[in-house]
Amino acid sequence: EAGVTQFPSHSVIEKGQTVTLRCDPISGHDNLYWYRRVMGKEIKFLLHFVKESKQDESGMPNNRFLAERTGGTYSTLKVQPAELEDSGVYFCASSPPGQGAYEQFFGPGTRLTVL
Amino acid sequence: GENVEQHPSTLSVQEGDSAVIKCTYSDSASNYFPWYKQELGKRPQLIIDIRSNVGEKKDQRIAVTLNKTAKHFSLHITETQPEDSAVYFCAASKDGNKLVFGAGTILRVKS
Repeated sequence: EAGVTQFPSHSVIEKGQTVTLRCDPISGHDNLYWYRRVMGKEIKFLLHFVKESKQDESGMPNNRFLAERTGGTYSTLKVQPAELEDSGVYFCASSPPGQGAYEQFFGPGTRLTVL
Repeated sequence: GENVEQHPSTLSVQEGDSAVIKCTYSDSASNYFPWYKQELGKRPQLIIDIRSNVGEKKDQRIAVTLNKTAKHFSLHITETQPEDSAVYFCAASKDGNKLVFGAGTILRVKS
């Protein structure tokens, strides 16, 4: 069974540019989460999808971040325009229906560097 | 909202010794406490978890203890091996909602 995949693995962009991160959850996992880890700090929750619906987006830092999950399969996280403080590692995680945060499976992360 | 503090931030132990990482949480309604291990360049992986209806759980060389009254939980690794070297994250969740993580502990096992 394939795990959670994320693309790209690394992205280096300049301040003001746009970046789109993609996450493919494990097949059949309704729950999809986005998290971010800024250098040396905790992994912070951004938002939670159940299928295509946003269940909780309380962690989204501001309106420069837009997450979508059309069709309830893969998800994208767009940052537009990117700022220096957006640098960090963005993780996606998924879990089976009804499991929520229990036994989440993480992707390898996308390391975003904003110059 | 929930806040999780994790200590120490770095921990060095000699191979064969035990390692203990401690976390405290603020929301007494939290009832699920997982631990994740992230090896260098790899994804975080769940290694053990505990729910608030038990006080201790063991899996081979790792164990987690929970003190609901004091609102803290700990990860114990016995007979540490070089492959235990990684970053360990604790987390807390209420009713299976979002995970709130601690800042992580870098564990180095010296051989």
